[in-house]
Amino acid sequence: DTAVSQTPKYLVTQMGNDKSIKCEQNLGHDTMYWYKQDSKKFLKIMFSYNNKELIINETVPNRFSPKSPDKAHLNLHINSLELGDSAVYFCASSQGRGLSRDTEAFFGQGTRLTVV
Amino acid sequence: AQKITQTQPGMFVQEKEAVTLDCTYDTSDQSYGLFWYKQPSSGEMIFLIYQGSYDEQNATEGRYSLNFQKARKSANLVISASQLGDSAMYFCAMREMKTSYDKVIFGPGTSLSVIP
Repeated sequence: DTAVSQTPKYLVTQMGNDKSIKCEQNLGHDTMYWYKQDSKKFLKIMFSYNNKELIINETVPNRFSPKSPDKAHLNLHINSLELGDSAVYFCASSQGRGLSRDTEAFFGQGTRLTVV
Repeated sequence: AQKITQTQPGMFVQEKEAVTLDCTYDTSDQSYGLFWYKQPSSGEMIFLIYQGSYDEQNATEGRYSLNFQKARKSANLVISASQLGDSAMYFCAMREMKTSYDKVIFGPGTSLSVIP
């Protein structure tokens, strides 16, 4: 069974459209994240949720709106898509806090978004 | 400012040889965790190894070991007996522990190519 699953895997859309990416984890983790990986492979944290509450918002344009209906799900909605939004978006989850090997982040397979 | 530096954008290693991938980090915290992830060309993020800031021994996981030098703020990944399947991007990451949340940030990555 997939631990962290994202849908869709590929998304091609026109500028100005609105799109959503869904993420679900079945690990029982309490923290979920969205990361953006650009064309140079740089991974930048966008949002973090802990038990459905937003705890990190890394100066992401407000066209990006995350929603966490429960602690197993974290969806990302993007309004008015722009060419610069083209990237791979990763969802991830982790459990607990502090210094433990068990706090590793588990990643989804990524969603490759292409805006044309 | 970049908190995690990986100075080698690209590396080559002969099959069966060992290779060291560099990572330096910047933090004023005493408590933090360090991770290495592998991203093959298929795109998924694979956890490799973890080191806590208070761990006195260097972490090892199979062919992977982490050369942790706390005073120098470095956490280099050593891969022994390289295999063709080790060709991938490698990311160093740090878990920062803030008052009410943790945050995982990534370095820019090193692309490793294993030559037969």
